[in-house]
Amino acid sequence: EAQVTQNPRYLITVTGKKLTVTCSQNMNHEYMSWYRQDPGLGLRQIYYSMNVEVTDKGDVPEGYKVSRKEKRNFPLILESPSPNQTSLYFCASRAGGPNNEQFFGPGTRLTVL
Amino acid sequence: SQQGEEDPQALSIQEGENATMNCSYKTSINNLQWYRQNSGRGLVHLILIRSNEREKHSGRLRVTLDTSKKSSSLLITASRAADTASYFCATDLGSQGNLIFGKGTKLSVKP
Repeated sequence: EAQVTQNPRYLITVTGKKLTVTCSQNMNHEYMSWYRQDPGLGLRQIYYSMNVEVTDKGDVPEGYKVSRKEKRNFPLILESPSPNQTSLYFCASRAGGPNNEQFFGPGTRLTVL
Repeated sequence: SQQGEEDPQALSIQEGENATMNCSYKTSINNLQWYRQNSGRGLVHLILIRSNEREKHSGRLRVTLDTSKKSSSLLITASRAADTASYFCATDLGSQGNLIFGKGTKLSVKP
């Protein structure tokens, strides 16, 4: 089944404790993105990647890191989480070329105390 | 930066009625896409309309695109309680592959 998976689905952590949210897709997609969703603010893009070893900042990259060492994986790293990073996070992927839909993961609900 | 803006922010209708949501955007696009999100879940793609298309249908969904006004609308006909969800438009600028999403319209369909 074609899908984007994220882990963990839920995470409660404390300020300053490094964490990684994994994202994997099995569709051989070139493009992958991370979004955060907050009430009243909609979906905001954190980072995106056009292909392996190619990443770029989205609208809200501060406090986050990503890597794209393999085509299927695009982990999101919070080196020193803070309470303002409490949010619902989505990973997404889409095929290269024009006019392709985006596939979303199920989301990771992160709470930073 | 937010490219698409949906209107209204929230919409409440009775089952069987039609629901219309609008999306306005700022710059030229390659295509515009509509997505649906059930509460707290991942977004699901509904329909894509290319910049050279004016109207597209998929089941009970009808999407229009007016590039001169930089706007799109999503019409759901004969709505059902199961259509209750948030609906987002996303613009594809054609470069770098990333979609820019609006803040969404929250639709509530009462049985």
